[in-house]
Order: sequence, then structure tokens, then C-alpha cells
Amino acid sequence: SQKIEQNSEALNIQEGKTATLTCNYTNYSPAYLQWYRQDPGRGPVFLLLIRENEKEKRKERLKVTFDTTLKQSLFHITASQPADSATYLCALPPLRGGNKLVFGAGTILRVKS
Amino acid sequence: NAGVTQTPKFQVLKTGQSMTLQCAQDMNHEYMSWYRQDPGMGLRLIHYSVGAGITDQGEVPNGYNVSRSTTEDFPLRLLSAAPSQTSVYFCASSYLGQYEQYFGPGTRLTVT
Repeated sequence: SQKIEQNSEALNIQEGKTATLTCNYTNYSPAYLQWYRQDPGRGPVFLLLIRENEKEKRKERLKVTFDTTLKQSLFHITASQPADSATYLCALPPLRGGNKLVFGAGTILRVKS
Repeated sequence: NAGVTQTPKFQVLKTGQSMTLQCAQDMNHEYMSWYRQDPGMGLRLIHYSVGAGITDQGEVPNGYNVSRSTTEDFPLRLLSAAPSQTSVYFCASSYLGQYEQYFGPGTRLTVT
């Protein structure tokens, strides 16, 4: 079955710097990959979706890359702010596709002022 | 639009008790699903539905039942609660073929 790995250690960065989070996957080639943000005590919120034929996608200060050869996605937040502090989850469709998602465990980002 | 709503927000059960977690959405989404989230394990799919009258099992379905009699509602039933079912439960919905999922605020369940 597919496996998704995200850094289990929290990422601590200074305000204004670029945060880079990693999502690695094994055992298959997904048609797309999604990133979600989750704040404590709340449900995940969709941020970005990138398809296998897209190398990069941007939305305001967010940038996602998708390297199907390395089986890796990188999620960047430029000019980070304390309000960006949250857990970030990557998610992929399962082998048979459809609307189902398989989630990574998430990486905690802490931005300090 | 209220989006995806879940009730209750918190619940404590004793082992062997039953209960239903409620989930409703007002976006006319065909696809609805239930996840549980445990520390260090991410979200795991319990059951899902692609439309009224159609349900299927996800990754961790044992101990849970679902039904989908309307497009809007997708309740999750625990027939005989066990301490291993202590978790945070999230309901999510989306249009079929559009993969962005909308999540509810979650229900924190403790089974003693």
C-alpha cells in the first residue's frame, strides 16, 4: 500500500523567512497531491492541489512543487508570519483513485516573531 | 452556508455504550467521508459515501457503521464503544470529481 512520510519533528523558523515542508511518498504514482492546514482543535482546511503534470503551483505566499521522479512534494511559505503557525498535512488519492484521500501525519510549523 | 457541521463537539462514553456522531453539509456534495485522527498517525478513513444510499468501507471500518439516506447527512454509529475508539473524528465532503475536501470541526470522543 502507499506510504506517505512527513517530517515528524516540528519546524521552527523566524518570521520573514521561507518555511519549506517535505512530503515523500512510496509505492505508486498519484495523479495529484494536496496540502491542507490544520489549526489546534479544528478540522483541516484545503490549501493547494497540484497535478502530476504540473511541476509547480503558487497561491499568494504559498508554493508547491511536485517531483514525480523523486516521489516528493515541497511546500513553501515565503515571508512567513506567526499566523502561519499550524500543522500542515499532505494528502494523496489511494491506488484506485476517486475522491478518497490518504493523509500524512503532518508537520508542525512554528513561526517566531 | 454553514459548510460541514458535526455534533457533538465532545463526548465521553463508557465501554460498551453506543452513540451516533452526526455530520451534515449544505453544499450539495455527493461525496462524504469519516476520518479518525490519532496522535502521530494522521487522518485515517473509516467509511465513505459517493451518494445517497451508497456507502463503502475505508481503511479502519471495524466497530463503526454508517448510512446515507439523504445527500446532506452522514451519521457515524458506534455500536459498542471500546477504549481503542478514543480519538478525534472528522467528517468531510466534496463534489465527486473535485478533490478538494471540506472538513467539519471534529468530535473529540473519549471511551473509558
